[in-house]
Amino acid sequence: SQTIHQWPATLVQPVGSPLSLECTVEGTSNPNLYWYRQAAGRGLQLLFYSVGIGQISSEVPQNLSASRPQDRQFILSSKKLLLSDSGFYLCAWSGQGAGQPQHFGDGTRLSIL
Amino acid sequence: SQQGEEDPQALSIQEGENATMNCSYKTSINNLQWYRQNSGRGLVHLILIRSNEREKHSGRLRVTLDTSKKSSSLLITASRAADTASYFCATANNNNDMRFGAGTRLTVKP
Repeated sequence: SQTIHQWPATLVQPVGSPLSLECTVEGTSNPNLYWYRQAAGRGLQLLFYSVGIGQISSEVPQNLSASRPQDRQFILSSKKLLLSDSGFYLCAWSGQGAGQPQHFGDGTRLSIL
Repeated sequence: SQQGEEDPQALSIQEGENATMNCSYKTSINNLQWYRQNSGRGLVHLILIRSNEREKHSGRLRVTLDTSKKSSSLLITASRAADTASYFCATANNNNDMRFGAGTRLTVKP
């Protein structure tokens, strides 16, 4: 069966520090991969999605970036964190094809001090 | 925007009652999906209804879709305390584009 791993579960970082969040998927090949941010009590904001290795689409201009160095690995990065980057970050995967159900990791709660 | 919007924002009911949540959207869709999120966790896919379907069932869940009104509803029958969670609708078009609403926070009191 397919599983998705996301780490760390919580992270506290100072303003201006770098960020690297990692997500890996097991049990499937060539998945679509997604990074979302969720503000407290709100819906999901799509940040990036990828349909293949090295293919990244950005939905919202910001100081975050994403990379997909391997088929089942998706990384969210920042060179310098801002206070506004605080939030709950979720990684998800889906099968190829339009409108496939998405399967989520358990998220990373990021607090910027 | 095709983003779904759930209504109500919050719902509190007693165990055993039915819970109904609604979702409205603005543009054409390929399908509409409902997800559940327990506090501090990721979302879990519940059910998918295609644009050419009107009703779908899964256990105690019943989903309806009215494409003429651009709306959907999720009914949870005989609710349990364990159903307490946030519920999100998500609309998918024919591209790799899925948009989530802000969710309905359901509280089921034992």
